Amino acid sequence: GAVVSQHPSRVICKSGTSVKIECRSLDFQATTMFWYRQFPKQSLMLMATSNEGSKATYEQGVEKDKFLINHASLTLSTLTVTSAHPEDSSFYICSARTGASSYGYTFGSGTRLTVV
Amino acid sequence: DAKTTQPTSMDCAEGRAANLPCNHSTISGNEYVYWYRQIHSQGPQYIIHGLKNNETNEMASLIITEDRKSSTLILPHATLRDTAVYYCIVSYSSEANSKLTFGKGITLSVRP
Repeated sequence: GAVVSQHPSRVICKSGTSVKIECRSLDFQATTMFWYRQFPKQSLMLMATSNEGSKATYEQGVEKDKFLINHASLTLSTLTVTSAHPEDSSFYICSARTGASSYGYTFGSGTRLTVV
Repeated sequence: DAKTTQPTSMDCAEGRAANLPCNHSTISGNEYVYWYRQIHSQGPQYIIHGLKNNETNEMASLIITEDRKSSTLILPHATLRDTAVYYCIVSYSSEANSKLTFGKGITLSVRP
């Protein structure tokens, strides 16, 4: 089946630094990828939708200058949390699909970000 | 906002069938019903999806009512590893940019 690899699985960074999270589709080309954030005991909240070769579409209330998304190829999307602060500590999850996916949407295993 | 409503939680005995209900009374004709589950601290796992016909795969069965306003996910023989949060989501399958909007899901606890 379709596999999405997300890296790193855990990261701890200092307040004010930037962190990059990678999301790769391993055995299919992902024209569209999605980024979610999940706080403890809450559901997944969609942050943005990225399409290969174009600018990401951010959900209302998500700062695009803080959460930089790049989808430069059909197999890789990255999320960079810039100038991270403790309130950015969360579980970040990516998802990918193709235009003809028969699996629905495939999710990465998530990245636990802790900002200290 | 999520377009589905699910009970907050339920439990079932190991080896028995788990029937997870979902209401989606405002579903439109082109929207599919998706089920995902999330085990603690992992990414959601695809289970099954369907449009109007009942569907079955190696993991579960999906029963959609004729009016499509509700559905039931059936795990035929629940195991302890099926303990997770199960999300019922409606979305357009044919559009590449269609996004999945997660509600609160239902927490299934499988007891020994």
